[in-house]
Parts: sequence; C-alpha cells; structure tokens
Amino acid sequence: GENVEQHPSTLSVQEGDSAVIKCTYSDSASNYFPWYKQELGKRPQLIIDIRSNVGEKKDQRIAVTLNKTAKHFSLHITETQPEDSAVYFCAASMIGNQFYFGTGTSLTVIP
Amino acid sequence: DTAVSQTPKYLVTQMGNDKSIKCEQNLGHDTMYWYKQDSKKFLKIMFSYNNKELIINETVPNRFSPKSPDKAHLNLHINSLELGDSAVYFCASSQDRLPPREQYFGPGTRLTVT
Repeated sequence: GENVEQHPSTLSVQEGDSAVIKCTYSDSASNYFPWYKQELGKRPQLIIDIRSNVGEKKDQRIAVTLNKTAKHFSLHITETQPEDSAVYFCAASMIGNQFYFGTGTSLTVIP
Repeated sequence: DTAVSQTPKYLVTQMGNDKSIKCEQNLGHDTMYWYKQDSKKFLKIMFSYNNKELIINETVPNRFSPKSPDKAHLNLHINSLELGDSAVYFCASSQDRLPPREQYFGPGTRLTVT
C-alpha cells in the first residue's frame, strides 16, 4: 500500500517568514494530494489540494508543488502569520478514495 | 447546516465498558471513514464504508466495530474499552468518484478511558 512520509515534524518560524513542509509518497498510482490544517482542538480542514496532472497550485499565501517523478510534494506558506500556527497534514489518494495521511507537522509562527 | 456531525463530543468512561460514537453526514457522500488521533497527533485510518460495504480495516482490534444503518451514518462501537483507546476519534466522508475528492471531517469525539 501507499506510504506517506512528512517532514519536519515540528517547525518554528518568525512572523513574516516562509514555511515549507515536505511529503513523499511511494505509490505512483496516487493522483490526488490534499493538505489539511488542524488548529488546536479543531477538526482537520482542507486548505489546498493538487492533482497529478498539475505541477503547482497557488491560493493567496499558500502554494503546493508536486514532482511526480520524484514522488514528492510540498506546502509553501509565505508571509506567515500567528494564525497559521497549527498542525498540517499531507495526504495521498488514488482510485477507490483510499486516503493515506502523513504524520503531521506542528507549525509555530512566532510573533 | 453542519456537514459532518458526531456525538458525543466528549466521552469519559471506565475500562471494560462498551460505548458507541455516532456520525452523520448530510453531504450525500458515498464513503465514510473513522480515524483515531492519538496524543502525538497521528491520524490513523480505522475503517471506511462505501455503500454499506467495509472497504478498509487497518489492523484495528475486533473490539471496534463500525455499523452503517444507511449511507448517511457510520457509527463506531467499542467493546471492553482499554486505557489505550483514549484518543480523539474523527469521522469523515467523501464523494466516491473520479478524480478523488477531499474528505470532510467531523468535529471529533474525545474519548477518555479511566
């Protein structure tokens, strides 16, 4: 089955700096890669996703890149703000709607 | 207007008891899931149901049993609760079509076993 690895497990940045979280996957059949943000005590919520036919996608301060050949994808947050502090999960999915989540990255934005 | 709802939000019980957590989605999705999130924040898939058929069971103890009375509900029954079952349990749902779509999560149920 699919194996998704996520790094780093914790990340601290100064407000205004950029944050990058990286994930790798093992199954080349995976074709959908969502990113979820989980604030303390809340549910995971989708913030951005990318499909295997696209190399990059942006939404304001958030962007995701995908390298199918290397089987890795990354989340980029620019101009970080304290409200970006949360746990971020990457995931990989394929036909049949099986989702495989990474182990999470706890991001702290220091004011 | 809640998309995925769970009850109860908090559940405190003693070892050995049997408990249930209910989940309902009003999105018309085909697939529902149960996840366990431990203290390290790992999201572990437990079960998923597609049109009332179990399609994933990730080495979960048989004390855990999902029950789906209809497409909009997937309840989780836990027998003989153990201390290690303490965690937050999330229900989720998604539409089963190509290409894959996002999962919507419920608010979570924090289970504490004493």
